[in-house]
Amino acid sequence: DVKVTQSSRYLVKRTGEKVFLECVQDMDHENMFWYRQDPGLGLRLIYFSYDVKMKEKGDIPEGYSVSREKKERFSLILESASTNQTSMYLCATVAGRVGGETQYFGPGTRLLVL
Amino acid sequence: GENVEQHPSTLSVQEGDSAVIKCTYSDSASNYFPWYKQELGKGPQLIIDIRSNVGEKKDQRIAVTLNKTAKHFSLHITETQPEDSAVYFCAAPPGADGLTFGKGTHLIIQP
Repeated sequence: DVKVTQSSRYLVKRTGEKVFLECVQDMDHENMFWYRQDPGLGLRLIYFSYDVKMKEKGDIPEGYSVSREKKERFSLILESASTNQTSMYLCATVAGRVGGETQYFGPGTRLLVL
Repeated sequence: GENVEQHPSTLSVQEGDSAVIKCTYSDSASNYFPWYKQELGKGPQLIIDIRSNVGEKKDQRIAVTLNKTAKHFSLHITETQPEDSAVYFCAAPPGADGLTFGKGTHLIIQP
């Protein structure tokens, strides 16, 4: 079974703090994704990565950055957290090129920015 | 880019009845249509998918139908049970990277 883990289930941070969300997968998948999930808006793609040290912007990258130093690990960084970044963050991974392969999701990190 | 519309946003059915959730997409090049189920406190999990070379796929009580001409696909759940209560997402590839998700349907199974 594919296992995707996220470093925290719940986080509370203050406005202006730098926040790191980490995702680790154990299946040697090439592709990793970060989404945020908000009520009524569904899942929106923030960033994705096809390979180590490679990153691509998704639909809503503003206010976020990512890091992929190792194949199994994909980090989402909020450089200066703001209250409108309060959300559920989901990491996903897929073996091949997306467009025909299953995406496997982590359990999510619920972030509250005060 | 791809645009995926999902309806309804909330669906309440009696236990044992059928539930149908519909999605439309805009990119005619899309060829892979997965459905995900998200239970409370968990990440979404794939429950069924269909590719553009078939019109229907079944897996026990779950089925997905695809109409490429009309650009819509639907999830059908028969003989609903309490454990079917969850949020369901459809998705379609934008033709390049990632998946575009619908906004989700909250399915409520009434006892």
